[in-house]
Parts: sequence; structure tokens; C-alpha cells
Amino acid sequence: AQTVTQSQPEMSVQEAETVTLSCTYDTSESNYYLFWYKQPPSRQMILVIRQEAYKQQNATENRFSVNFQKAAKSFSLKISDSQLGDTAMYFCAFMKHEGNQFYFGTGTSLTVIP
Amino acid sequence: NAGVMQNPRHLVRRRGQEARLRCSPMKGHSHVYWYRQLPEEGLKFMVYLQKENIIDESGMPKERFSAEFPKEGPSILRIQQVVRGDSAAYFCASSPTRGNYGYTFGSGTRLTVV
Repeated sequence: AQTVTQSQPEMSVQEAETVTLSCTYDTSESNYYLFWYKQPPSRQMILVIRQEAYKQQNATENRFSVNFQKAAKSFSLKISDSQLGDTAMYFCAFMKHEGNQFYFGTGTSLTVIP
Repeated sequence: NAGVMQNPRHLVRRRGQEARLRCSPMKGHSHVYWYRQLPEEGLKFMVYLQKENIIDESGMPKERFSAEFPKEGPSILRIQQVVRGDSAAYFCASSPTRGNYGYTFGSGTRLTVV
């Protein structure tokens, strides 16, 4: 079975500062995908960043980057130059390589303080 | 492209009534997935359907819940004889093929059972 753990229920960061959200996972699969999704108050699930497990290079998307440590089964999200619009719930998720379903963590509520 | 459309956005039902949640996938997407999000939790997979076929229903409760994706029309998640514990946000997602590429979520239906 796959499990995803987010140990920080709530975090806050000052506008323009950097924040890191933690995620660990457990799986016996060797090839898989990892994701960070953002859920603002509108409830829309928005893909932030995607990482393929067989790629050693950490994924980046503008102000968002990940620190993927495959051996440690860790997948943290770094948000640089935080903006007010980054305030949302952030979910870490896992999908098997040939899978069809996401396994989500319980989320981290991030508040960006002006 | 209108995205994944779910309706209604909010649904209130009394205990014992039936709830019908509708999902229209993105144009060109023939794979549909339903997830449930309980308060303070991440999304949990329920069922995966292709046109007229249920592919994986490993996350569906054994009783009172059913899903369909007919040849014509939206996918329907049906909950019979609702109970308070069914109160949650129900999300639909769609993709053009099996797997995570192009996997797009709708904004969800919040079901409240009173």
C-alpha cells in the first residue's frame, strides 16, 4: 500500500520570504510520480509541480521547486518569494507509474502574511 | 475548453434521501475518476470509469454508492439513503488516457446531509 504523510498541518510565511513544506511517502514501487497540488478556498485542485521518480533532477516551476530524496522517500516543496495568492491548502500526492489514482496526504494549510 | 464541470456545487440532502452528483469531463477525455474529501483530510480515490465501464472501484463503499459513465451524458455518482457521515466534498477528475498526463480536477460538489 502507498501512504503519504504531511506532518505540518499549518504553516505561515511573510510575504516575499521562502517557505518549505514537507512530505514523506512509503511505497514498494520503484517507478512512480510525485505531485504537489494547491487547493485555494475555491476548492479547485491546481497542479503545482510534478516529479518523475526515475529523474534525479529536481523539478522546478517558476517560484516553486522540490527537493526529491528518493532513498529517504522525501519530497518537499519550496516556495520562493511568497505571494498572498499562495495562501491555500497544499497536498502532496503519489501515483504509481502505471496507476490511475492519486494517493494524497492530509495537507498543509499555508498562510502568507502581508 | 470549459474544463471539468461538476454540478451542483452545493447539495443539501436530508438523511435517507438520494444524492446524485454529476460530472462532465473535459472535451476529448474519456477517463473519469471520483474522489471524496472528508473535512480536514486529503482526497481519497473512490472509482475510475471509462465510457460505459467501471475499471476500478476499489475505493467505493460497498453499499449505497454507485457510479456510471454512460455513452452519452455526464458521469453520475449516486449515493442512496444518505447518512451524516456522507457529508463531504466530492471531486471528479478526467484524463485523455489512463495515467496522470492531462489529469484535471473539477471544483467539487459539497454534499451536506442534515
